[in-house]
Amino acid sequence: GAGVSQSPSNKVTEKGKDVELRCDPISGHTALYWYRQSLGQGLEFLIYFQGNSAPDKSGLPSDRFSAERTGGSVSTLTIQRTQQEDSAVYLCASSQINYGYTFGSGTRLTVV
Amino acid sequence: AQTVTQSQPEMSVQEAETVTLSCTYDTSESDYYLFWYKQPPSRQMILVIRQEAYKQQNATENRFSVNFQKAAKSFSLKISDSQLGDAAMYFCAYRSRVNTGTASKLTFGTGTRLQVTL
Repeated sequence: GAGVSQSPSNKVTEKGKDVELRCDPISGHTALYWYRQSLGQGLEFLIYFQGNSAPDKSGLPSDRFSAERTGGSVSTLTIQRTQQEDSAVYLCASSQINYGYTFGSGTRLTVV
Repeated sequence: AQTVTQSQPEMSVQEAETVTLSCTYDTSESDYYLFWYKQPPSRQMILVIRQEAYKQQNATENRFSVNFQKAAKSFSLKISDSQLGDAAMYFCAYRSRVNTGTASKLTFGTGTRLQVTL
């Protein structure tokens, strides 16, 4: 596609439910990044994919968070048993080596 | 680990005036990239300007320019002839020149909200 697409744009969920956030990167971009932006905060790095591989998962805030990428393309960030502190905007970016990053418009997650 | 600090949570500028947003960073690396991103209410991060640390010349993009002071680890953004459309959150970001692995990620400051008034 022409840009990075994220869905859903907004998600309201009840505490304790699982949610899946989707990122569809620019075709051909091998690197994919997930960030979390909490109210009034900067962007917190969560995880990075090179192809389908995520060599470093240490940025994920807890074991309730997981992510996968299939076919070197679409990535899904899953949050299990959501908590109110998970409420944030989740941004995805894709990149080709030596080129810039392209960000999606994010998913605003609200846990009630 | 690298850190990026933006000490101005909010700034205000009148239309057509000039404003400077501050950013400092900490790193032990000698070669890296620095960026300014703009985030309007649409939430999408838009690249404003990029500076490569090995270049002494300050980057310029139309009304946007930077003052890069490598020794002081300072990277400020100057917006000239401010326009209403410049109102947004502005983030300073750092990236290692290393292209592989997690080192390729961006490290962001906490942002500065810029208001533009008539």
